Amino acid sequence: AQSVTQLGSHVSVSEGALVLLRCNYSSSVPPYLFWYVQYPNQGLQLLLKYTSAATLVKGINGFEAEFKKSETSFHLTKPSAHMSDAAEYFCAVSDRSNTGKLIFGQGTTLQVKP
Amino acid sequence: ETGVTQSPTHLIKTRGQQVTLRCSSQSGHNTVSWYQQALGQGPQFIFQYYREEENGRGNFPPRFSGLQFPNYSSELNVNALELDDSALYLCASSSKEPPGAQYFGPGTRLLVL
Repeated sequence: AQSVTQLGSHVSVSEGALVLLRCNYSSSVPPYLFWYVQYPNQGLQLLLKYTSAATLVKGINGFEAEFKKSETSFHLTKPSAHMSDAAEYFCAVSDRSNTGKLIFGQGTTLQVKP
Repeated sequence: ETGVTQSPTHLIKTRGQQVTLRCSSQSGHNTVSWYQQALGQGPQFIFQYYREEENGRGNFPPRFSGLQFPNYSSELNVNALELDDSALYLCASSSKEPPGAQYFGPGTRLLVL
């Protein structure tokens, strides 16, 4: 069965510092991988997706993620944090099945300090 | 391009009641998936609809049911509400051809008392 583990339920960085949110997945087949962001009282917004093309994926708002098969990881990074980046971030895996259902991690809350 | 919309935004019900949540998919998308997000957790897959038929289901009891209409909009129905059904219900639309990403609506917050 597929699963996603997000290391660190809370991450705190200073404004302008590097953001690194960790995601490891478990899958018996090459997966599709996604990062979503959720602001308070809102739905999920797609940040980026990996679908077996380039291993370094660039997304919106300056975020990017690198697919590392050997480490079964898909960590999310941003060179310089902004106050507006404070939100909940979810990593998700899709098993390429007929439904393409998403299996989500528990989420990481990003706090950005001034 | 119109995004995914959901109604209502908030709902309060009592245990044992029934509820219907609605979702309009993003233009050009023919597949709708529903997720339940309990407080402090990641979303859990309930089921998916494609061509007006259920196309996969997660680990939810039969009292969770749905519909998809010819215009690809969808409903989620929950019968015999339980306290644990209190959650944010998210609808996501996508195109059936992979690797279609799923695009989420703002959700419906359901509180069961």
